[in-house]
Amino acid sequence: DAKTTQPNSMESNEEEPVHLPCNHSTISGTDYIHWYRQLPSQGPEYVIHGLTSNVNNRMASLAIAEDRKSSTLILHRATLRDAAVYYCILRDTGNQFYFGTGTSLTVIP
Amino acid sequence: KAGVTQTPRYLIKTRGQQVTLSCSPISGHRSVSWYQQTPGQGLQFLFEYFSETQRNKGNFPGRFSGRQFSNSRSEMNVSTLELGDSALYLCASSLAGSPGANVLTFGAGSRLTVL
Repeated sequence: DAKTTQPNSMESNEEEPVHLPCNHSTISGTDYIHWYRQLPSQGPEYVIHGLTSNVNNRMASLAIAEDRKSSTLILHRATLRDAAVYYCILRDTGNQFYFGTGTSLTVIP
Repeated sequence: KAGVTQTPRYLIKTRGQQVTLSCSPISGHRSVSWYQQTPGQGLQFLFEYFSETQRNKGNFPGRFSGRQFSNSRSEMNVSTLELGDSALYLCASSLAGSPGANVLTFGAGSRLTVL
């Protein structure tokens, strides 16, 4: 089974960029890389996803390594509202779901 | 557009009892998946339903079961509750189509406490 590993926690100063890493060394060619975040007392919410190419949306950017064995979620300017647990998830065409351990992001004012 | 609705939000049961949790997906979403979240194990996939059929199942004992109705609403059931079943149970819905690219929309969860 494809698995992901993430650092348990990270800190960032407000209004600075944040790079959240995820390792997925056993990723298969059909696995999509998804990122979700979970604020306290809420269900996870979608952030971004990609397959091979880097992706940008209004919330974040996703940088995928050329060998696809790792990826990085980039928050361009961290705000206090970005403090959450960030999950890196692999989803394949068989619809299996593999959750990472999640990274707890603390944003320092 | 209404989000994913889970009921009940909180419930307390005792060991040996059974519980049924309900999930109403976003209108038009045909896939519903369930997850268990605990402090020790994190988010773990339970199962996924699509068009009333279980399409995938995680590594949980048979005490955990689910079903999906023709209107895409889903229920999950846990029988013979154990203390370790205390958790936040999350439901997520998504559109049909390329499964790998489907975006999940989660509900707020049902927090189960087993005494």
